[in-house]
Amino acid sequence: EVQLVETGGGLVQPGKSLKLTCATSGFTFSNAWMDWVRQSPEKQLEWVAQIKDKSNNYATYYAESVKGRFTISRDDSKSSVYLQMNSLKEEDTAIYYCTYILWGWGQGVMVTVSS
Amino acid sequence: DVVLTQTPPTLSATIGQSVSISCRSSQSLLHSNGNTYLHWLLQRPGQSPQLLIYSVSRLESGVPNRFSGSGSGTDFTLKISGVEAEDLGVYYCVQGTHAPWTFGGGTKLELK
Repeated sequence: EVQLVETGGGLVQPGKSLKLTCATSGFTFSNAWMDWVRQSPEKQLEWVAQIKDKSNNYATYYAESVKGRFTISRDDSKSSVYLQMNSLKEEDTAIYYCTYILWGWGQGVMVTVSS
Repeated sequence: DVVLTQTPPTLSATIGQSVSISCRSSQSLLHSNGNTYLHWLLQRPGQSPQLLIYSVSRLESGVPNRFSGSGSGTDFTLKISGVEAEDLGVYYCVQGTHAPWTFGGGTKLELK
């Protein structure tokens, strides 16, 4: 059974940092391209970042809205993917999901950026 | 980025009724490799999205065959032939032909 579990969300002040973790099981993580997708309070879904596998040199891609502030990474030995979020803004407030090619989704983790 | 426009934003249906949701793209979703990467997700209340249909018309494993997808180029449709209570929620189209992935605004299916 495919499982993805996100952790690390919470309430943070603007300008601060937060790191999300997505622990996975049930599929060959080392070959997987992994993504983070977020859902705003208005329920709009937005792709955030992607990391490819080792054979693709762990290439990373970002939405323009987070480029330069967010960093996606992975640890194949732990079957986990991460999202380091720096310089957070109020508009980053959302539920963050990790997803495996849209087929597997985590339960999501809430990130609230507010003073 | 590709803009996906879903209509209607809200759909009220009775159990057993057939309904359709439209997803229109700002540009063709036909990839240079001949595939069309237009997919449909369902998000039930309080749950994460789940993949229903991929590549326009292919049902994900376990999805009932009352669901069907069709379309090409810029116009796509999701049809439910006989709504059941478990189908209620928000449907999203999503495209993967042109980077980055983009999502439609969603169609909320509710009981009349």
